Amino acid sequence: QSALTQPPSVSGSPGQSVTISCTGTSSDVGYFNRVSWYQQPPGTAPKLMIYEVTNRPSGVPDRFSGSKSGNTASLTISGLQAEDEADYYCSSYTSSTTWVFGGGTKLTVL
Amino acid sequence: EVQLVESGGGLVKSGGSLRLSCAASGVTFSDVWMSWVRQAPGKGLEWVGRIKSKKDGGTTEYAGSVKGRFTFSRDDSKHMVYLQMNSLKREDTAVYYCTKIGGPTRPFAFDVWGQGTMVTVSS
Repeated sequence: QSALTQPPSVSGSPGQSVTISCTGTSSDVGYFNRVSWYQQPPGTAPKLMIYEVTNRPSGVPDRFSGSKSGNTASLTISGLQAEDEADYYCSSYTSSTTWVFGGGTKLTVL
Repeated sequence: EVQLVESGGGLVKSGGSLRLSCAASGVTFSDVWMSWVRQAPGKGLEWVGRIKSKKDGGTTEYAGSVKGRFTFSRDDSKHMVYLQMNSLKREDTAVYYCTKIGGPTRPFAFDVWGQGTMVTVSS
């Protein structure tokens, strides 16, 4: 199972919006609505931010939103804040009953 | 609050073995599916595998890169899950995270993560 494709880096200024894409195949991202997103600040463990494409766990700000079209899922962060600076990973459950992660995207808040 | 604490990491020679442990608290452990995810230094996350709850069969699934070398097990009486790693290779060097799979409301997401334990495989 190949890793999902994410841009290596994105950046934005405080208050702006950024979108991180996650491209897979019809066997993973496109097969189910079972994409999740994780935030990993430097030196810490990942944290679940979005599950099943669009759902936020309690405690995650509504500035974070998810979507999907075909084989590409996206995470949008609006009203960017300095504390959002981190690595972001997408993950998808697959038709082989396994999981696959994206390569990760480093978000820089300018 | 659900907490996961990994232990057992360390330095091991190529071809050697190591067993990682993960202690869970704050959850009805026998009901949960657990997974391991690893992260090589400076690299991204890689799913290693998962173990179902015993009531769901207790079966395991592994990533191709570790199949036949790694084995998961669980002891529900101790709220523990284990990762036995054999025939270790240098490319297994990583931080290993124990994660909880989200349960009925989010069964395909890793909703709780431990702090990770470092495994270094030397030549």
